Amino acid sequence: DGGITQSPKYLFRKEGQNVTLSCEQNLNHDAMYWYRQDPGQGLRLIYYSQIVNDFQKGDIAEGYSVSREKKESFPLTVTSAQKNPTAFYLCASSILRTGELFFGEGSRLTVL
Amino acid sequence: AQSVSQHNHHVILSEAASLELGCNYSYGGTVNLFWYVQYPGQHLQLLLKYFSGDPLVKGIKGFEAEFIKSKFSFNLRKPSVQWSDTAEYFCAARIGGSQGNLIFGKGTKLSVKP
Repeated sequence: DGGITQSPKYLFRKEGQNVTLSCEQNLNHDAMYWYRQDPGQGLRLIYYSQIVNDFQKGDIAEGYSVSREKKESFPLTVTSAQKNPTAFYLCASSILRTGELFFGEGSRLTVL
Repeated sequence: AQSVSQHNHHVILSEAASLELGCNYSYGGTVNLFWYVQYPGQHLQLLLKYFSGDPLVKGIKGFEAEFIKSKFSFNLRKPSVQWSDTAEYFCAARIGGSQGNLIFGKGTKLSVKP
């Protein structure tokens, strides 16, 4: 099946630890995105990448880092510098010319 | 700054009632508009989209939306809701064509009473 796979689905982390969320797509999409979803806040863009080995900051990039070494993969690292990391993280991809985003099922990170 | 506003945080309806969820965006140029839905425990999925042409767009599951350029609006409608429509609905706008980022509204939670 074609789609976007995020892992892990649930993750617990102690304060001060970095954690990496995985996102893989087999849709052959050029662009990939990371959003953060908080209750009542909608979706806010963390980072996006339109091509391999290139990525740009979104609206709330502080405390996060990404890489795009392969077209299929766009992992997100939540660093200890992120002040409020407990959230639901969504990965998405798109064909650039259509603009429509396809989403993964999300990863819920809880910092203890 | 560009933004997308959804007027209602939580809407509660009885089955068979008509639905209209408001969405406004703040940009006067080229814009692509979307409505996404997130059913409980499921991933976000596209309901419908508008790029150009007929401003009345039909989507899945009987939903439709109307693009009114003069009002910067893209309201979502359904003539008769069902309990299975209970979900959170997000309006989104891609500013500046396909190269722009997708900006989401804060979402509207719809609860349909059986």
